[in-house]
Amino acid sequence: NAGVTQTPKFQVLKTGQSMTLQCAQDMNHEYMSWYRQDPGMGLRLIHYSVGAGITDQGEVPNGYNVSRSTTEDFPLRLLSAAPSQTSVYFCASSYGSYYEQYFGPGTRLTVT
Amino acid sequence: KQEVTQIPAALSVPEGENLVLNCSFTDSAIYNLQWFRQDPGKGLTSLLLIQSSQREQTSGRLNASLDKSSGRSTLYIAASQPGDSATYLCAVSREGAQKLVFGQGTRLTINP
Repeated sequence: NAGVTQTPKFQVLKTGQSMTLQCAQDMNHEYMSWYRQDPGMGLRLIHYSVGAGITDQGEVPNGYNVSRSTTEDFPLRLLSAAPSQTSVYFCASSYGSYYEQYFGPGTRLTVT
Repeated sequence: KQEVTQIPAALSVPEGENLVLNCSFTDSAIYNLQWFRQDPGKGLTSLLLIQSSQREQTSGRLNASLDKSSGRSTLYIAASQPGDSATYLCAVSREGAQKLVFGQGTRLTINP
């Protein structure tokens, strides 16, 4: 099992550009989530999904879109990047929010 | 609103010592609590998950305790080794909520 994979590892964007962070898991987990990690702020939940076709907002959803067309994939879209979105982004998956969470290696995003 | 606090933010101890990391939460209506380890530039790895009905969980040299009524958890590391150096984070899931709330972590350094 590859576990949770994220691409790319690093990305630099200019303000206003759009991009998609990819997340995939091969553990047949129903629950997937996206977090951002910032110094002094800890991990904050952006969006989550409890299954294919079902997504919901977390604590800091503004500026981000998600969709879940398959169990395996949960991409995070930045519609118009802003410097405030400079962060490290982590995807996680599990059988449910009450279960052990498996994290991907992260994507380090810089917006200039 | 659930808040999770980890004190101290950083801790440095000599190799071989037993140590305790602390995690406190403001809302005792939790479903479970998880402890994670994060190495620099890496994702999070789940160490222990304690259900709200449990008092403690053990894995090797790690022992996590939970006192739900007082809103506290501790992670005990026995016979610390330099390889234990990492940031340790705790996170709680609340009953009825599909998300985790993280503390900001304790950065642990074990000196040879």
